[in-house]
Amino acid sequence: QVQLQESGPGLVKPSQTLSLTCSVTGASITNGGFYWGWIRQHPGKGLEWLGYIYFTGSTHYNPSLTSRVLMSVDTSKNQFSLKLSSVTAADTAVYYCARVPRLSGYGLDVWGQGTTVGVSS
Amino acid sequence: DIQVTQSPSFLSASVGDRVSITCRANQTISIYLNWYQQISGRAPSLLINVASSLQSGVPSRFSGSGSGTDFTLTISSLQPEDFATYYCQQTYDMSRTFGGGTKVEIK
Repeated sequence: QVQLQESGPGLVKPSQTLSLTCSVTGASITNGGFYWGWIRQHPGKGLEWLGYIYFTGSTHYNPSLTSRVLMSVDTSKNQFSLKLSSVTAADTAVYYCARVPRLSGYGLDVWGQGTTVGVSS
Repeated sequence: DIQVTQSPSFLSASVGDRVSITCRANQTISIYLNWYQQISGRAPSLLINVASSLQSGVPSRFSGSGSGTDFTLTISSLQPEDFATYYCQQTYDMSRTFGGGTKVEIK
């Protein structure tokens, strides 16, 4: 059974870089049938797509966040990561990692439980 | 950017009711529309792929329809465990925007 688990600091200072890691168990991240994605949910609000990465390192980001987002993958650890630079209070959210089937247009079929990140001095 | 608008944003219904939620895109997105369920405090879970394909393990009372700009999620007979918030997501372009959500509560 595939499971995803987010980890990282729960609090980040304004203007700094938010860094999260998603650990994948039960499947290899090098399975070519999937991308690996990030989504966030602001407190009491809806969902926002951040982007995804393929095990080769190829990335696709939400155009609205491209200038601040960087995703990477570590196949040796079966993990992928998110960095979001120059954070403000507006980046306070629950951050989820998820698996993205490469089947054209298919949805996020496995999710992590989410991790809450606050931005405050 | 492609925007997707869900309606209603809030829905009150009883166990056994037939419930429909709609999602409208501001441009054609073919069938590239997925539906998710989010129970309070938990991660979303996938219900429907590409407008009408039921995700494995999801009860058959859930169904999806539509193409182009207008889509519908239907729950044929609402069960107690279905009280949750439902989101649509377009996967036509890289913004992969989500709708604002529909909260289904017990009448």
